[in-house]
Parts: sequence; C-alpha cells; structure tokens
Amino acid sequence: AQRVTQPEKLLSVFKGAPVELKCNYSYSGSPELFWYVQYSRQRLQLLLRHISRESIKGFTADLNKGETSFHLKKPFAQEEDSAMYYCALRTLGGGGNKLTFGTGTQLKVEL
Amino acid sequence: DVKVTQSSRYLVKRTGEKVFLECVQDMDHENMFWYRQDPGLGLRLIYFSYDVKMKEKGDIPEGYSVSREKKERFSLILESASTNQTSMYLCASRGPNSPLHFGNGTRLTVT
Repeated sequence: AQRVTQPEKLLSVFKGAPVELKCNYSYSGSPELFWYVQYSRQRLQLLLRHISRESIKGFTADLNKGETSFHLKKPFAQEEDSAMYYCALRTLGGGGNKLTFGTGTQLKVEL
Repeated sequence: DVKVTQSSRYLVKRTGEKVFLECVQDMDHENMFWYRQDPGLGLRLIYFSYDVKMKEKGDIPEGYSVSREKKERFSLILESASTNQTSMYLCASRGPNSPLHFGNGTRLTVT
C-alpha cells in the first residue's frame, strides 16, 4: 500500500533562513509526487509537482527514488511562506485516480 | 479558472441526523473526490468518483456514502452522523493530467 510520511508537524524558521520540509513515500510502482499548500483562510492548492521540475515561489523539490524522498526546499524563507504544506503521492497506471496525502507540516516563518 | 464550490462553509448537526454535503465543479472534470482533514492526520480520502454514477471507496469510507447523478455534482452523505465525524470536509475535482482543485471546505460539527 502507498504511504506518505511527513515527520515534522511544525517547522519554525527565521526569515531569510533556508527551509527544508521533509517527505518520504513508500510505493512499489512508479510514483508521481506533489506538494500542496494551504495559506491561512485559503483553499488547498498545488504548489509544485515533480514531473514539472519547476521552481514555484522559490521552492524546489527533487524526487530521489533511491531514498524514496521528495523534500521541499527554499534557500531563503519569507514571511508569506508561512502555511500548511502537504506532500502527496499519486500512482500511475491502475488506481491512478487516488492521491494519498501526508499528515502535513506547518511552516512558521518568524521575523 | 477552475471553480469547486461547496454549498456550506459551516454546518452543525445532531448525532443521528442524516447529513448531505454538496460539491459542484464547473470544469467538466471526470474525477471528483471527498477528503476529510483533521489535525495531525492530514487529508484522508473518503470516496471518489471517476464518472457519473461511478464511485469507489477511499481509505476511510465507513459511515459515509456518495452520490454522483450529474457530472458536475458530487454529494457526500452521512447516513447517521456521529461525533467522530466532526471534521473539515474537502471536495476536489481533477481532469485528465491536471492537479486536484479543491473547494473551500465545509466544517462540520456533530453534537
């Protein structure tokens, strides 16, 4: 069965410090990974996905199949990055409709 | 821009009541989903539907049912509400090769 693990419930960093939100997954097939973000009083929205290999709002994430990880990184945290971040895993092929989410990490950027 | 609309933002119901949560999307998406969001547990999939009148159980379907009579509408039904169903309920839709688009959520309290 597929599983997504986000080990940190809360991550607190100072403005300008580097950020790394951890995500590990378990899945025997070929995974597709996403990061979703929920800002205060807003709906959950896609931040980035691994197949796009893009940087959104300064965030990047690289899929490491050897370590089964998809950590989210940003070199310099901004106050507006404070939000809840969810890592998600979608299987390709059969059952591809399902998206499994981690438990989320609350990022707090302090001045 | 995709719009996913959940009919109620807040709902308070009594134990044993039958509860309907409605969700409508305007992008002709085939796939629709119901998740519940709980602190420390993240998002857990209750049910999803990949076409009209088609449905599949997610990870926590017990105590819930769904209805998809029209492509744009996906309803979540609590047959007999219980206090452990107090939660934030999120509806989402997805087209082919597109990310999930979420509604604003319905915060349900069962007393």
